Amino acid sequence: AQKITQTQPGMFVQEKEAVTLDCTYDTSDPSYGLFWYKQPSSGEMIFLIYQGSYDQQNATEGRYSLNFQKARKSANLVISASQLGDSAMYFCAMREGPNNNDMRFGAGTRLTVKP
Amino acid sequence: DSGVTQTPKHLITATGQRVTLRCSPRSGDLSVYWYQQSLDQGLQFLIQYYNGEERAKGNILERFSAQQFPDLHSELNLSSLELGDSALYFCASSVRLNYGYTFGSGTRLTVV
Repeated sequence: AQKITQTQPGMFVQEKEAVTLDCTYDTSDPSYGLFWYKQPSSGEMIFLIYQGSYDQQNATEGRYSLNFQKARKSANLVISASQLGDSAMYFCAMREGPNNNDMRFGAGTRLTVKP
Repeated sequence: DSGVTQTPKHLITATGQRVTLRCSPRSGDLSVYWYQQSLDQGLQFLIQYYNGEERAKGNILERFSAQQFPDLHSELNLSSLELGDSALYFCASSVRLNYGYTFGSGTRLTVV
């Protein structure tokens, strides 16, 4: 079964505006971690932000914030003040359990920032 | 530079051949993970090693194998290559199990 779902294959946003990339997940484990990665056209995977299942507050890292809604099992990434350099693929990922051994990724969302 | 080193960056080989991809994890990281990224399958977890021992297996074909050496570098061996094995292969490392990964820049394998 698909554990991580990203329903937006592609998104467009105007430069300097905010954008939300959707991610829903499925797990029965009470302990899990949620991650967002950015993959620019050069191909490398860049870690952006992490949210633990027991974290009380939404994670923030600079212009990135994670809108964590545990009951809805969603972990949307919000990018504020979009920049042209934000154009990339964005992947949501999850690790389950306290001794989790692998990270599962969603299919990704391609974000294009328009000037 | 993420600190995770993968070599080679590009590899072109013929069907039926065998190749070895190499990964040096970030200093201090004990876990190494291998992922395959193809256009139709997305990012697929292949295998994980922790301090030299295999810890978890994902969607790794029997034609593929891996190992982690005492100095913690890891190698992914792909044999009897098929056209469908063409993909970007990532290595990632992490310092502890409940932490995020740092990815290498990947090895782009093209099977012709």
